[in-house]
Amino acid sequence: KQEVTQIPAALSVPEGENLVLNCSFTDSAIYNLQWFRQDPGKGLTSLLLIQSSQREQTSGRLNASLDKSSGRSTLYIAASQPGDSATYLCAVSLYSGGYQKVTFGTGTKLQVIP
Amino acid sequence: GAGVSQSPSNKVTEKGKDVELRCDPISGHTALYWYRQSLGQGLEFLIYFQGNSAPDKSGLPSDRFSAERTGGSVSTLTIQRTQQEDSAVYLCASSTKGRWSNEKLFFGSGTQLSVL
Repeated sequence: KQEVTQIPAALSVPEGENLVLNCSFTDSAIYNLQWFRQDPGKGLTSLLLIQSSQREQTSGRLNASLDKSSGRSTLYIAASQPGDSATYLCAVSLYSGGYQKVTFGTGTKLQVIP
Repeated sequence: GAGVSQSPSNKVTEKGKDVELRCDPISGHTALYWYRQSLGQGLEFLIYFQGNSAPDKSGLPSDRFSAERTGGSVSTLTIQRTQQEDSAVYLCASSTKGRWSNEKLFFGSGTQLSVL
């Protein structure tokens, strides 16, 4: 059974800092890995998706990396802004029985202080 | 539609009543997922649909929970005889399914269910 862990559970940083969120998973035979953002009372917004054959993906100030062999992914946020405050979730997919089974981490709650 | 739509956004019900939660996926998305997120908890998988069939129902917590999908589009999650522990946010996601698809998940805003 795939287990996904995110560390830290919460993080508070001053505006402008660069930061790294961590995600680890137990089964390295993944199909893809997605990073999501969740604002309070809202659904999840997809930030980046990394295919199993890829090492990283970038979108604006966000960069996600994937190391399947060690079962790790990181989300790097450059020059953080108060608007980045949210919970960040890592989701790992395994492909089994003809479809992707997605397991979520419990998230990292980020607060960026102005 | 432009995105995944869920209704109602909030539902308050009395213990023992039945509730229906609706999900309207992105047009053309054949895969549909239901998840549950309890306060302070991670997302818990409930059920997966491919078209109108549900090859994986392994996450449904009890026989009080059921779901269907019609026309390969709208899905309804039904909870019978609701209990207080059913209180949670119910999230729906859809994705395309194709050989070369990256199968990115797109989520709705969820239904906040409160059982009194």
